[in-house]
Amino acid sequence: DTEVTQTPKHLVMGMTNKKSLKCEQHMGHRAMYWYKQKAKKPPELMFVYSYEKLSINESVPSRFSPECPNSSLLNLHLHALQPEDSALYLCASSPGTATDTQYFGPGTRLTVL
Amino acid sequence: QKEVEQDPGPLSVPEGAIVSLNCTYSNSAFQYFMWYRQYSRKGPELLMYTYSSGNKEDGRFTAQVDKSSKYISLFIRDSQPSDSATYLCAMRGQGGSEKLVFGKGTKLTVNP
Repeated sequence: DTEVTQTPKHLVMGMTNKKSLKCEQHMGHRAMYWYKQKAKKPPELMFVYSYEKLSINESVPSRFSPECPNSSLLNLHLHALQPEDSALYLCASSPGTATDTQYFGPGTRLTVL
Repeated sequence: QKEVEQDPGPLSVPEGAIVSLNCTYSNSAFQYFMWYRQYSRKGPELLMYTYSSGNKEDGRFTAQVDKSSKYISLFIRDSQPSDSATYLCAMRGQGGSEKLVFGKGTKLTVNP
């Protein structure tokens, strides 16, 4: 299994909703990442988990809350989002943060109304 | 000066053309260089990965890194309409906590 999967593919939520994005990989990778990508822009790093511990938080607002329940799973909990948070949310994984290659999932297209 | 510069295009070529995509960078600590292909509304797909300087070929794709000039290239031979996508260069340094730095992406259209 050489892929990163993400669910849901699309999500529409109101500003008062609470929702979660899920990411899974079964490649034995020990680093997992959340990125946000706006249209016609490159991905922007949000969080990095290394060996299930949060190692990088790129000053992301607290309305985004990551969670790594185990080495294969990564969640992003969303609460009280703003319309400007609408974007493609990408999960990626790599064998380890010391390793160069990141593999991306297909993304969750989030729309905040 | 941005760490990584990439011409956003758009670039439009006829089918069968040779495509050259380029990035320049300013950080001499970058050691790992990648090219990702991203179709509209999809996640980036790793195409090529190169460590330090040199060339790497995979089918119709060739990646070149010239560290002395801080310049990387991706060549696509015999381009196909299915190559139409945005191509992102990305690079990072040696350290364990080094983040991946992306170019802005070049949008390529190959016309049949």
